[in-house]
Amino acid sequence: EAGVTQFPSHSVIEKGQTVTLRCDPISGHDNLYWYRRVMGKEIKFLLHFVKESKQDESGMPNNRFLAERTGGTYSTLKVQPAELEDSGVYFCASSEIDRVHGYTFGSGTRLTVV
Amino acid sequence: EDQVTQSPEALRLQEGESSSLNCSYTVSGLRGLFWYRQDPGKGPEFLFTLYSAGEEKEKERLKATLTKKESFLHITAPKPEDSATYLCAVQATGTASKLTFGTGTRLQVTL
Repeated sequence: EAGVTQFPSHSVIEKGQTVTLRCDPISGHDNLYWYRRVMGKEIKFLLHFVKESKQDESGMPNNRFLAERTGGTYSTLKVQPAELEDSGVYFCASSEIDRVHGYTFGSGTRLTVV
Repeated sequence: EDQVTQSPEALRLQEGESSSLNCSYTVSGLRGLFWYRQDPGKGPEFLFTLYSAGEEKEKERLKATLTKKESFLHITAPKPEDSATYLCAVQATGTASKLTFGTGTRLQVTL
């Protein structure tokens, strides 16, 4: 079974530019999550999709971040315009149903804003 | 606000030297406590879920236990391949699937 795929694996952009991260969940997984780890801090929740609907977006830092999930398949996370404090590793995860068990994480996208 | 604190931040063990990692948590109501392993450049890899105080789970050299305030990850006779960052996370009742993570314990096992 293919895992959760994220790309790009690394991205370096200048402050003020736009970046789009993509996540392909495991096929058939209705739940898709975005998390972020800023240097030296813990992994923090950003948002949760159930199919194409946003279930919880309480962790989105501000309106420069826009997440979409087209047709309930892959998801994108766009940062526009990027700021220095947006640097970090962005993880995507997916799970089959919304119950208590460990979801499967992707390897992450390391975003550096210079 | 839900909170997870892990200790120590880093731990260096010799091969075969058993030890324990601690995860203290405060949560309004615990739905589940998770342990993950993370290798450099990779995403967290699921190890265990614990649901209630007194529960224990084992996998190879790892054993996770849970009380009402903390969880321990016991590592018995570790090997160099156990070197990784170990993450603890909690899921509170009424928060759908959101996880609150600790900062992790970096474990290095040397020969």
